[in-house]
Amino acid sequence: EPEVTQTPSHQVTQMGQEVILRCVPISNHLYFYWYRQILGQKVEFLVSFYNNEISEKSEIFDDQFSVERPDGSNFTLKIRSTKLEDSAMYFCASSGGRSYNEQFFGPGTRLTVL
Amino acid sequence: AQSVTQPDIHITVSEGASLELRCNYSYGATPYLFWYVQSPGQGLQLLLKYFSGDTLVQGIKGFEAEFKRSQSSFNLRKPSVHWSDAAEYFCAVAPGGSGTYKYIFGTGTRLKVLA
Repeated sequence: EPEVTQTPSHQVTQMGQEVILRCVPISNHLYFYWYRQILGQKVEFLVSFYNNEISEKSEIFDDQFSVERPDGSNFTLKIRSTKLEDSAMYFCASSGGRSYNEQFFGPGTRLTVL
Repeated sequence: AQSVTQPDIHITVSEGASLELRCNYSYGATPYLFWYVQSPGQGLQLLLKYFSGDTLVQGIKGFEAEFKRSQSSFNLRKPSVHWSDAAEYFCAVAPGGSGTYKYIFGTGTRLKVLA
């Protein structure tokens, strides 16, 4: 069964450094999402992406964040200058094809900012 | 604004007892509704989903949920809890209809199971 994959599973970085979190959505999906979950808290929407552009973003998704679909398979989230409060689990999701109304989530990348 | 409320932050039940986790949503139309389970440090596993039709939905691991439009609720139930069910449970809502939109998650209910 196709699934969403994310790399790395755990990323440790120093404050102020740039990080890129990578996701490979399900191949025939057209809608892509990033969510964030700070430890012990709920999952929060960051951004949705369709047709090579952002379709919606939350107030969390400020200028430090960017998303890109650099090729036909990857979907990335870049944090330009990480802050301590960016430490969280980041989930990628995709939807489309025959399951356009259901998002399929990846296993997550745990980002730790020191 | 759309919102999801899970009124119970923690629930403790004995193994073998029945379980009901509450979820209420605020949304103008009938949304799509989901329940996810998350073990510590792990990802989100979909338990069940409701799009339309029969309001009683069966999911994996013996879970079911009932959509009640009049109460704007989508409560999760299990008749007999197993120790392995201890985890955090999240209710999520998405706008219904075509197109795809962000999910809004509740704050979660942490389930503890006593042996």
